[in-house]
Order: sequence, then C-alpha cells, then structure tokens
Amino acid sequence: GDSVTQMEGPVTLSEEAFLTINCTYTATGYPSLFWYVQYPGEGLQLLLKATKADDKGSNKGFEATYRKETTSFHLEKGSVQVSDSAVYFCAPPTSGTYKYIFGTGTRLKVLA
Amino acid sequence: DAGITQSPRHKVTETGTPVTLRCHQTENHRYMYWYRQDPGHGLRLIHYSYGVKDTDKGEVSDGYSVSRSKTEDFLLTLESATSSQTSVYFCAISRGSGQGSNEQYFGPGTRLTVT
Repeated sequence: GDSVTQMEGPVTLSEEAFLTINCTYTATGYPSLFWYVQYPGEGLQLLLKATKADDKGSNKGFEATYRKETTSFHLEKGSVQVSDSAVYFCAPPTSGTYKYIFGTGTRLKVLA
Repeated sequence: DAGITQSPRHKVTETGTPVTLRCHQTENHRYMYWYRQDPGHGLRLIHYSYGVKDTDKGEVSDGYSVSRSKTEDFLLTLESATSSQTSVYFCAISRGSGQGSNEQYFGPGTRLTVT
C-alpha cells in the first residue's frame, strides 16, 4: 500500500541555520504532495503544496520540490527563525480515493 | 480558515463509557475526516465521509463509529472507551474532489483522556 517515510526528529537548530526535512513516498496515484505544519496546541495547517512532477511549492520561506524520479519531496528553508518551531508533516500522493496519508511528523526546535 | 469547530475541546471519561465527539463545518464541504494523533504515529485516519450518510473506514477504525446526517456535522463515537483511545482527535475537511488532489483543513482538535 501507499506509504511515506519522513525524517525523524527532533531537529534542533540555531536561528538562521539551514533546514532540510526529508520525505520519501511509494504511492504513484494522484500527483499532489503537501507539507503541513502544526504549532503547539493547534491543528495542522497547510504549509505548501506541489501538484505535478518538478513543481516547487513555496511559502513563508519554505520550499519543496516534487521529485518524481526519486519519489521525494524534501522540505527546505534557508534561514530558520524561532517562530518556525513546530511539527512538520509530509503528506504524499495516494492511490486510493478520498484518503490521505501523513508522515509521522518531524519536530523542529529553533534556538535563539 | 475553513470554519471547522470541534466539541468538546477537552474531555476526561472513564473506561467503558460511550463518548461522542462533534465536528461542525460552515462551508458545506462534501468530504470530512476523523484522525487521531499519537506520539510516534503521526496522524492516522479513523473514518471519513464523502457525503451525507456515506462513510467508510480508515486504518484504525476498530472501536469507533461515525455518523453524518447533515452535511455540516460529522460525529465520532467511541462505543466503549478504552485507555488506548486516549489521544488527540482532529477533524478535517477537503475542498473539491477530495481524491487526494486537494489540501485538507483541520479543526483545532479534541484532547480525550480515558481513565
């Protein structure tokens, strides 16, 4: 079945450091991929999405490129801030109808 | 903001009692979902709905039932709560076709503790 592998956390970085969170998947169905972010005490919210191969999603300085040949969708940010401290979830394509799958989440802590 | 509310936001209940969680949306979206979030497991789908009275099971549906008698409300019932159902429960909606191509919008969550 469809599956996703997301980099385990926690990840601790200093402010202004470079961030990469890896995500790979096995599904080959609907092409959209998503990254969600969850701040403490809140529900998940969409961070960015990509809808086709080689598409790059971006938002709030975060970027992720849909690499169909490597089935990956790694999240990157050039300079993290303390306010980026949160849990990040990768959500890859799924081949089933109506269903979504999520990675286990990567907790990011950014220190001032 | 997709106008999703969940109630209650916090609940403590005893083992063996039935519990119902409510998800309410204001935008009449067709697709609604219930997830649970546990450390080390991320989000796992319990049940989902693709229309009024149309529901199906997710990967962790044992011990849970759902109902959707109106477009705006999706109820999750724990028939006889167990300690393993202590979790944070999230409701979500999907706009558009719902077939994996559209992002989801999540409610604020319900923290349930079963003692």
